[in-house]
Amino acid sequence: SAVISQKPSRDICQRGTSLTIQCQVDSQVTMMFWYRQQPGQSLTLIATANQGSEATYESGFVIDKFPISRPNLTFSTLTVSNMSPEDSSIYLCSPSGVGGQETQYFGPGTRLLVL
Amino acid sequence: GQQLNQSPQSMFIQEGEDVSMNCTSSSIFNTWLWYKQEPGEGPVLLIALYKAGELTSNGRLTAQFGITRKDSFLNISASIPSDVGIYFCAGSSGTYKYIFGTGTRLKVLA
Repeated sequence: SAVISQKPSRDICQRGTSLTIQCQVDSQVTMMFWYRQQPGQSLTLIATANQGSEATYESGFVIDKFPISRPNLTFSTLTVSNMSPEDSSIYLCSPSGVGGQETQYFGPGTRLLVL
Repeated sequence: GQQLNQSPQSMFIQEGEDVSMNCTSSSIFNTWLWYKQEPGEGPVLLIALYKAGELTSNGRLTAQFGITRKDSFLNISASIPSDVGIYFCAGSSGTYKYIFGTGTRLKVLA
């Protein structure tokens, strides 16, 4: 398995501002996935981030709203831009490819509340 | 986004009872994963399945990769109060990308 940390663990933000969430993994991973989990719901994939290339976004998510960086194989950031109350959610990073396995592990999540 | 159909949606059971839940897909998968999520935490991987028909256990938990490759099952035997949480299935067709189930909310009454 992998040890995954996310910062911040939670935040309360004002409408119109942006928040950058950091994800650090203790080993090199092939891919980093970013998910959103709205209250009481399942996980929805936002985008897939590979090192050295632009992230691939799922339908309904765009780079201008959720820019992602992947500067190396152990770190990634997700920014939630120009936030609105509808962005209130849990954001989770998930590395895949740990130890060559196709399993996915999750960070503890960042709980975001937008006022 | 696409989600897998997971049932039941929620369960209230007595401590000591066995629990069964399943996940179905319209697509064939090569890998099935089962997770448990507790309040305020990220999902924790319970069991990974890589082959059709595979039956894998992790303590009181047993999961099976359906022979059609379109479904998977999770059983919990002799439930205890700390089993409470939301259980998610996830399936992948081999692209490292997973689709998640709608979740089964489990509550155990002592």
